[in-house]
Formats: sequence, C-alpha cells, structure tokens
Amino acid sequence: SAVISQKPSRDICQRGTSLTIQCQVDSQVTMMFWYRQQPGQSLTLIATANQGSEATYESGFVIDKFPISRPNLTFSTLTVSNMSPEDSSIYLCSVVLGSNYGYTFGSGTRLTVV
Amino acid sequence: DAKTTQPPSMDCAEGRAANLPCNHSTISGNEYVYWYRQIHSQGPQYIIHGLKNNETNEMASLIITEDRKSSTLILPHATLRDTAVYYCIVRPIYTDKLIFGTGTRLQVFP
Repeated sequence: SAVISQKPSRDICQRGTSLTIQCQVDSQVTMMFWYRQQPGQSLTLIATANQGSEATYESGFVIDKFPISRPNLTFSTLTVSNMSPEDSSIYLCSVVLGSNYGYTFGSGTRLTVV
Repeated sequence: DAKTTQPPSMDCAEGRAANLPCNHSTISGNEYVYWYRQIHSQGPQYIIHGLKNNETNEMASLIITEDRKSSTLILPHATLRDTAVYYCIVRPIYTDKLIFGTGTRLQVFP
C-alpha cells in the first residue's frame, strides 16, 4: 500500500486566516481525495484531486473556500481559506493504487480555529 | 449509490470473535463492499473489501450473503487494540470515491 505524509499534523489558527495542508505520497497516483472530519462525526469527502485538471468538489464544498492544488502525481495541497471556528476539524488526504487495493489515509491535520 | 446501515455500537470480550454486521439491501451487482476502521485520533485503516465472494486476510474475514444485501466483518480473536469505529462502505466500480457512513463503535473489554 502507499505511504502518505501529511503536514502539519496539527495547528491552531486565528479566524480570518488561511492554512495550507500538504499531502505527499510515496507512489504515483492518479487521484487524491480530501476529507473533513468534524468533532465526533464521520468523514465527509470534500473533493477529488486529479493531476492536470481542476479538483471535483462534493456538494456543500466550494473552490473559493477549499482551493486544491495537484502539481504532480505524488503531491497535493488543500487550503482552508478565511477560517472560522466552524472549520475546526481533522482534515485527511487519501489515495488508492488500484481497484485491488484498499484506500490509504494520511494521519490527518487537526485544525483548531480560535 | 447503495446506502449502508450499521448498529451504532457493539461490545466484545477480549479473545472472542467480533462479528460486525452491515446491511446494504439496495446494493447492485457492480458495487464493492469495503470495511475500514478508525482508532481514536488516527486516519482510517483499510481492513478488507470484496465484490461477491467471501474474503479473508490477516486481519479479518468478510462474509457477504448470497443475495449481497448484507455482510459481516469477523475479527476472529478480538484484542483491546481492536477498539475502534468500524465503517462499512459500498463503492460502485465506476467511481473511485469512498463515502463514509456513521459506522459501528466496537468496544473490546478485558
């Protein structure tokens, strides 16, 4: 399976600022996925990031709030923009190597907005 | 896409088999069943997945009923480290997205 390095592991940010989360994979992958996990809740898919094209966002998530970059097949960033306390969550990236493999998740970024 | 239903919580004694059920009565023939678990404060961990046949690996067994409307994840000898939230997910073969439900919180006790 793939190995994912996600940074930062946690951060405390002021409201109104932005935070960029990085996801580095040790294998080339076509798609990378970004999730949000609010306190005590399950995971919610934010968007799918393909290399060379714009990310595809799920209902309720917009590019202006969560811009995503995917410059190559092993790296992606998610930015949480103009943060408010409601953005306090764990953000996770995920990849899959192929249909015979399970999806691998990063260890997550625990974001607290004050 | 098929929806899954899981009990919100279950208990299991250490050393016993943990049998976690999942109902996916609207599943179609081209949808995989995946199981993941999330131990507190960690990213989800892949356990097993299958399409039609039962599957077994070093972690668990996946039993899918013949009509595919439900499945059971079996942890043969539960340990305290298996305490986690377990998610059953149905994924169509034509999409790569994993959509999580609410899961089952499994508590393994001594």
